[in-house]
Amino acid sequence: NAGVTQTPKFQVLKTGQSMTLQCAQDMNHEYMSWYRQDPGMGLRLIHYSVGAGITDQGEVPNGYNVSRSTTEDFPLRLLSAAPSQTSVYFCASSYSAGYNQPQHFGDGTRLSIL
Amino acid sequence: KQEVTQIPAALSVPEGENLVLNCSFTDSAIYNLQWFRQDPGKGLTSLLLIQSSQREQTSGRLNASLDKSSGRSTLYIAASQPGDSATYLCAVSTNAGKSTFGDGTTLTVKP
Repeated sequence: NAGVTQTPKFQVLKTGQSMTLQCAQDMNHEYMSWYRQDPGMGLRLIHYSVGAGITDQGEVPNGYNVSRSTTEDFPLRLLSAAPSQTSVYFCASSYSAGYNQPQHFGDGTRLSIL
Repeated sequence: KQEVTQIPAALSVPEGENLVLNCSFTDSAIYNLQWFRQDPGKGLTSLLLIQSSQREQTSGRLNASLDKSSGRSTLYIAASQPGDSATYLCAVSTNAGKSTFGDGTTLTVKP
């Protein structure tokens, strides 16, 4: 029972590089989301998806793209990395946005942009 | 815009003490409120979820209450233990699934 799996766990990028953070869940959850957590702060919503083919912006979407082609996967793409995107990124999933089910989180991806 | 505030930012207590963590939010139009625990370098673990129509939820030594009209929730931890040391986060969600988190309360329980 893997739950929510995020890869990679750690990554160092140079300014201007692009990369994709992977998130996969095996619980058949419809709702998935990406957050970033900066030191000493809570989580801020980047993008979320209420089902395959449907995505929407959260609080801090600039510089990030997402797509949801399958129920299981929700990758987050950084198009041109900037030092301000240095953060810990968490992916979460839940059964459905409107069913009062708890969100399950992955262990995070620690990303440093030099 | 929803804002979530957690007070205090840090708390240190001796083992065995009962304690209360506070969470307040500015927009009462929420669908649910969730309390999480985060250990250093780890992800978030869900502790309790309170639906907007509920007043409280209990799990073991944890009790969470919700007063939606006043925009407040509390997490009560009974008989604290060193293993309870962690950061506790609250999050409020809309029925569309958008969640807003507080900055957390870092709890240290001293043996």
